[in-house]
Amino acid sequence: DAKTTQPPSMDCAEGRAANLPCNHSTISGNEYVYWYRQIHSQGPQYIIHGLKNNETNEMASLIITEDRKSSTLILPHATLRDTAVYYCIVRVGGNQGGKLIFGQGTELSVKP
Amino acid sequence: NAGVTQTPKFQVLKTGQSMTLQCAQDMNHEYMSWYRQDPGMGLRLIHYSVGAGITDQGEVPNGYNVSRSTTEDFPLRLLSAAPSQTSVYFCASENSGGHEQYFGPGTRLTVT
Repeated sequence: DAKTTQPPSMDCAEGRAANLPCNHSTISGNEYVYWYRQIHSQGPQYIIHGLKNNETNEMASLIITEDRKSSTLILPHATLRDTAVYYCIVRVGGNQGGKLIFGQGTELSVKP
Repeated sequence: NAGVTQTPKFQVLKTGQSMTLQCAQDMNHEYMSWYRQDPGMGLRLIHYSVGAGITDQGEVPNGYNVSRSTTEDFPLRLLSAAPSQTSVYFCASENSGGHEQYFGPGTRLTVT
């Protein structure tokens, strides 16, 4: 699985968009980009995933560059409850036996 | 659905003791995994299973055993606890062909 690089920490003002970047320059053609977050000491929570196209769900949007070497997770209107560690993970799609390889993630602090 | 459940929530062991961390899921997921998370670090994969009777090693398998006799249960055994195994342990499950991994609430283990 390709490695990812994320900034260790970011701040965001409440109500503003939070844009979390991720570099995955060695991504292969059949590898997806996944985002999970971990609030406080809870188990990680799935947010969104994508292969090539931009994706949006009720939690966030995922923008993947055309060369697929980087992506951005967007939380459109960040709230205090979005304060968490966000993990960007690259792996081949769903038939991977439940393997997720986590990096250090980005610690997002949403401030009033 | 209860989702992914883990017991116990907290455990203190003395060096050399053995114990089993329990994990169960009621979503009929084929894939199950165990991770550990040390303070300030991302999660690391210990062992995983793609179905009943099949297990494989992850990134940090030494000192741990697993078995998968049923789809629902995936216990993690510490053979002879060491202080280096002090960590938070998360269990997760995933449907084959799916993209979302579901995590349990974690077991906080301290080895003295």
